[in-house]
Amino acid sequence: NAGVMQNPRHLVRRRGQEARLRCSPVKGHSHVYWYRQLPEEGLKFMVYLQKENIIDESGMPKERFSAEFPKEGPSILRIQQVVRGDSAAYFCASSPGGWGSTQETQYFGPGTRLLVL
Amino acid sequence: GDSVTQMEGPVTLSEEAFLTINCTYTATGYPSLFWYVQYPGEGLQLLLKATKADDKGSNKGFEATYRKETTSFHLEKGSVQVSDSAVYFCALRRPSNDYKLSFGAGTTVTVRA
Repeated sequence: NAGVMQNPRHLVRRRGQEARLRCSPVKGHSHVYWYRQLPEEGLKFMVYLQKENIIDESGMPKERFSAEFPKEGPSILRIQQVVRGDSAAYFCASSPGGWGSTQETQYFGPGTRLLVL
Repeated sequence: GDSVTQMEGPVTLSEEAFLTINCTYTATGYPSLFWYVQYPGEGLQLLLKATKADDKGSNKGFEATYRKETTSFHLEKGSVQVSDSAVYFCALRRPSNDYKLSFGAGTTVTVRA
């Protein structure tokens, strides 16, 4: 059973370039969450998506950041015109769906380490 | 807002030593509390959890008790092994936002043979 897959594991970009981070949830999971961990800080919630829908993007910066979870394929977190402050670890998690129980467990991927030069 | 504060690392121990990682939180109401573990090269895994005051979560020899009076959820293990070397994250989830997790910064633990 494959867990949550993220790629690339490490990504280096120069200021102004675009970064695309991919997340393949656990097979059968239809809910995806993205978290960001800045240096020396804890993981912070960014966005919650279901297939083809953004449910909650309250933790995502309003500009340059976008996320999608298409009907087919992985979830993508896209950062346009990256700046040095975007350097962080980005974690994706998935859950089976039917959210409504506080017992629902999120399964995490290994993260993508983004470094902006 | 909600926040979680963890003991700073890194922590280095010998095998069979006692491990404690302190975790305190700030939140309104009665959040659920979690410990996640990340082994090298892997994703975060749920280690244990507690959903109400005085609950004790336990798994793989690790324990943590939800202490409402001290707003703490310290992780303990009586005798660590080399295989316990990992990064440990304390986290909370408010009942009203039951999908958003708030994490501490993580504590790196290295156990030497």
